Amino acid sequence: GAGVSQSPSNKVTEKGKDVELRCDPISGHTALYWYRQSLGQGLEFLIYFQGNSAPDKSGLPSDRFSAERTGGSVSTLTIQRTQQEDSAVYLCASNWGGGTNTGELFFGEGSRLTVL
Amino acid sequence: AQSVTQLGSHVSVSEGALVLLRCNYSSSVPPYLFWYVQYPNQGLQLLLKYTSAATLVKGINGFEAEFKKSETSFHLTKPSAHMSDAAEYFCAVSVGSGNTGKLIFGQGTTLQVKP
Repeated sequence: GAGVSQSPSNKVTEKGKDVELRCDPISGHTALYWYRQSLGQGLEFLIYFQGNSAPDKSGLPSDRFSAERTGGSVSTLTIQRTQQEDSAVYLCASNWGGGTNTGELFFGEGSRLTVL
Repeated sequence: AQSVTQLGSHVSVSEGALVLLRCNYSSSVPPYLFWYVQYPNQGLQLLLKYTSAATLVKGINGFEAEFKKSETSFHLTKPSAHMSDAAEYFCAVSVGSGNTGKLIFGQGTTLQVKP
């Protein structure tokens, strides 16, 4: 597709379960980002992948959160042993990164996670 | 370290009136600044960006913003509001030196446009 694609769009899970959220960036974009949007905390940076470099994980809130990016394209954000405070919209974004990076992010529509 | 403060979580204007959404930033390095808009149930979309070129930046949908270093501000304006402008608006600053997509966002301002 032409834009950033995220799935699932909605996920309801029980406390303690693991969840996986998927992001398919715009074709040709080398940089991929995960952000979290919640009522209490607003928009928060989570993790950033740029090409083959080690990801910037400085925004991950705990070791229950992890992400990987396979083949420089699709990314999966995994939350283990979910807690109610993990309820939020998880936004993925991508851009060209590197020396051509203008800073503009192209966002997907997000995955809304509800932990019961 | 960088930070962003948006003054006013809700702004209400009449259709046709001036829109002014306020953003102040803090940065120890020359900042890269952005305004994003989020329409209901959609992802964020870039309105405009300041990347150390012209201080008056024009964006999409008739919006513009002026970078004022002396005031550490990057307020968003539009001369005449339209009903379709109703949305949430986020100001953001790029983290660290350089221009990456790692951003710190303000808390957002919801714009209501009354007929």
